Amino acid sequence: EAQVTQNPRYLITVTGKKLTVTCSQNMNHEYMSWYRQDPGLGLRQIYYSMNVEVTDKGDVPEGYKVSRKEKRNFPLILESPSPNQTSLYFCASSSLRPLLLGEQYFGPGTRLTVT
Amino acid sequence: GQSLEQPSEVTAVEGAIVQINCTYQTSGFYGLSWYQQHDGGAPTFLSYNGLDGLEETGRFSSFLSRSDSYGYLLLQELQMKDSASYFCAGMNRDDKIIFGKGTRLHILP
Repeated sequence: EAQVTQNPRYLITVTGKKLTVTCSQNMNHEYMSWYRQDPGLGLRQIYYSMNVEVTDKGDVPEGYKVSRKEKRNFPLILESPSPNQTSLYFCASSSLRPLLLGEQYFGPGTRLTVT
Repeated sequence: GQSLEQPSEVTAVEGAIVQINCTYQTSGFYGLSWYQQHDGGAPTFLSYNGLDGLEETGRFSSFLSRSDSYGYLLLQELQMKDSASYFCAGMNRDDKIIFGKGTRLHILP
């Protein structure tokens, strides 16, 4: 089954404690993204990757890091989480083939609370 | 910066047709996508317009006009299960993906 998986699904942590949210896809997609979703603000792209070892900032990258060492995995790293990073996070992937460009597959989401 | 504008809420009656509009301020999107999100769930892909015109997928259709910087999602034969939020999104020339803030669709029986 084609899918994007994220772990953990729920996480409560304290300010400053480094954490990593994992993301993996099994569709051999080139393009992967991380989004955060906050009430009234929709989905905002944090980072994206066009392929292995190619990553770039989205609209809200401050306080986050990513890596793309393998095509299937795209972890999101919060080196020193702060309360304003409390949010719902989604990982997504898509093909870069022109007719499939707009079709993103989303993971189930990770609800992060930073106290 | 680039943005996509859509109404925050729309209300329609079960069995009816509803159109959700999406306008964008600047050109330069490769196309326009639409996603559905139920409360507590992840966004799911509905439709993508890579070219101008109409795309039809079952009860859902989507339209794009690049010259008007405008697109819409059309939902026909509305069912109660269509109550959800709907987002338009586009990839810009910097390969970033921008989402609209979403339209909450309320369906009345």
